[in-house]
Amino acid sequence: DSGVTQTPKHLITATGQRVTLRCSPRSGDLSVYWYQQSLDQGLQFLIQYYNGEERAKGNILERFSAQQFPDLHSELNLSSLELGDSALYFCASSGYSDTGELFFGEGSRLTVL
Amino acid sequence: AQSVTQLGSHVSVSEGALVLLRCNYSSSVPPYLFWYVQYPNQGLQLLLKYTTGATLVKGINGFEAEFKKSETSFHLTKPSAHMSDAAEYFCAVSHFTGRRALTFGSGTRLQVQP
Repeated sequence: DSGVTQTPKHLITATGQRVTLRCSPRSGDLSVYWYQQSLDQGLQFLIQYYNGEERAKGNILERFSAQQFPDLHSELNLSSLELGDSALYFCASSGYSDTGELFFGEGSRLTVL
Repeated sequence: AQSVTQLGSHVSVSEGALVLLRCNYSSSVPPYLFWYVQYPNQGLQLLLKYTTGATLVKGINGFEAEFKKSETSFHLTKPSAHMSDAAEYFCAVSHFTGRRALTFGSGTRLQVQP
């Protein structure tokens, strides 16, 4: 158990809809990262938050957004969903003084029909 | 910019045989290097990491990797494969301490034949 919790584990929705994925980092970790894993794109970094502020952006679509709340949990919002957004979305967290290791949740599997 | 190349999307070995998964990186500054393993329907779990110091690093489940700067490589090995090693393995690179996203390779799926 990595200590990172993601909900929901599975989500099925239709094209054009909006969903929210939730992540609770390890206790004390200030950084949260979101990754998308798909068969054709592999593991793609989407976005990072540190203590409530956006720290780095990767290949995140404009239809997607995220935030980190004062209690450090994070949410990834996916809107105007397309079939190609079907993927496994991972959240990871890291501490301040570590050497770059990320701790991953078990992921949220999104299926867009 | 940094990148990782994993040679071979699928590797198949017999139980008891040597496991060798290849990873080459590109980084303009000294890298931090990682191997993660992903079992079916699970998240990624850290196997081992190289930051500084000894270039041969040992990880969990009998895996080890050697950082070779001259070859820009960080290959993962295990002397004797077990059936339980069947999983997908990802090499990743970072070059700052903490608070930085890892860049992952495309992954290598390891099959272990009885």
